[in-house]
Amino acid sequence: GENVEQHPSTLSVQEGDSAVIKCTYSDSASNYFPWYKQELGKGPQLIIDIRSNVGEKKDQRIAVTLNKTAKHFSLHITETQPEDSAVYFCAAPNAGKSTFGDGTTLTVKP
Amino acid sequence: DTAVSQTPKYLVTQMGNDKSIKCEQNLGHDTMYWYKQDSKKFLKIMFSYNNKELIINETVPNRFSPKSPDKAHLNLHINSLELGDSAVYFCASSQDLGPSREQYFGPGTRLTVT
Repeated sequence: GENVEQHPSTLSVQEGDSAVIKCTYSDSASNYFPWYKQELGKGPQLIIDIRSNVGEKKDQRIAVTLNKTAKHFSLHITETQPEDSAVYFCAAPNAGKSTFGDGTTLTVKP
Repeated sequence: DTAVSQTPKYLVTQMGNDKSIKCEQNLGHDTMYWYKQDSKKFLKIMFSYNNKELIINETVPNRFSPKSPDKAHLNLHINSLELGDSAVYFCASSQDLGPSREQYFGPGTRLTVT
């Protein structure tokens, strides 16, 4: 089955700095890579996703890059703000289920 | 206008009891899921249902029995609760089983077994 590794497990940045979270996956058949944000006391919510036919996708301050050859994809958050503090999960859906990374707790210090 | 709702939000019970968590989605989705999130925030799929049929059972103990009376509902019944069952349980739904479908999560049910 699919195996997804996510790093780092915790990340602390100063407000205004950039944050990068990386994930690697094992199944080369995976072709869709979402990122979810989980705020305290809430369920995860999709913030950005990328399909295997593109290498990068941006949405305002967040972007995702994909390297299919190396089987890894990354979430980039620029100009971080305190409200970006949350747990972020990558996922690699395949065969009707989503395998999630172990999560990254991002703390943005004001 | 809540998309995916769960009840109850908090559940405190003693070992050995039986409890149920209910989930409803009003998105018209075909597929629903149960996830378990432990104290380390790891998110693991337990079950998925498509059009009321069980699709995935991720080696969950048979004390856990999901039931889908219709496409909009997926309930989770847990027998003989154990300390290790303490976690946050999330229900989710997606349009269908397609791998590139966004999953919509409920607010979670925090289960504490004492």
